[in-house]
Amino acid sequence: EAQVTQNPRYLITVTGKKLTVTCSQNMNHEYMSWYRQDPGLGLRQIYYSMNVEVTDKGDVPEGYKVSRKEKRNFPLILESPSPNQTSLYFCASRRQPGSYEQYFGPGTRLTVT
Amino acid sequence: AQKITQTQPGMFVQEKEAVTLDCTYDTSDQSYGLFWYKQPSSGEMIFLIYQGSYDEQNATEGRYSLNFQKARKSANLVISASQLGDSAMYFCAMRLNTGFQKLVFGTGTRLLVSP
Repeated sequence: EAQVTQNPRYLITVTGKKLTVTCSQNMNHEYMSWYRQDPGLGLRQIYYSMNVEVTDKGDVPEGYKVSRKEKRNFPLILESPSPNQTSLYFCASRRQPGSYEQYFGPGTRLTVT
Repeated sequence: AQKITQTQPGMFVQEKEAVTLDCTYDTSDQSYGLFWYKQPSSGEMIFLIYQGSYDEQNATEGRYSLNFQKARKSANLVISASQLGDSAMYFCAMRLNTGFQKLVFGTGTRLLVSP
C-alpha cells in the first residue's frame, strides 16, 4: 500500500529537549515536504526537499532542521523545542514533475511545555 | 506571491442539502493548480478534488465539484447531498507549476452537517 508514515503520532515534551519526527514514504517520490498546522493559519510549509541531499527552507523554517540522506526518509529535527512549536505536523510526498497528487502522512501532534 | 483566502470560518448545512465553500486565490502566474482537502476530526488530510488553471471544464469527483471562475480567481467547492460524514474542516490550496511547486493553504472552513 502506497503511504507516508510518521512517527511518533503524538508527543509531549519539554522546552529544550531535542526531538526528531520521522517521515518515510514507500512510493519512490522525489519531492517531500513538512508542514505545520495551527488554528486559524491553515498549513504552512516548513522545509522541502526535491531529492536526496537537496533541501530548502519553506515559509516557517525557524527552529527546525531537516535532512534527506535517503530518498524514502525525511526527518524533521527540533534541536531546542519551544512552546511556540506546539502544533500538528504533516509530512507529504509526491512524484515530480507534473504529478498533482500529494500524499500526506497521518500527522504528528506535538506539545512542548 | 501566492495567497488563498477562505472567508467562511464555519458553515452549517442540513443533511441532503448542497453547500458551497468559498475560496479565492491570488497569483500572477498563469499556470497553477487548485486543490481541496478534507480534514476530519481524526486529523488526516484527504484529497478531494483538483482543478488545473488551463482546464476548461469544472472538475467533478462524485458529490464534489469545483466551481472554477478564473476571471474572478475563485475556486469554490460544492458538495451535493450532504452527509453527516461530511462534517470536517475543508482546506483550499494552490500550487504554482514552477519551482518546487509547494502547496499554499487557506485557513480552512469548518463544515457541520446536521440531521
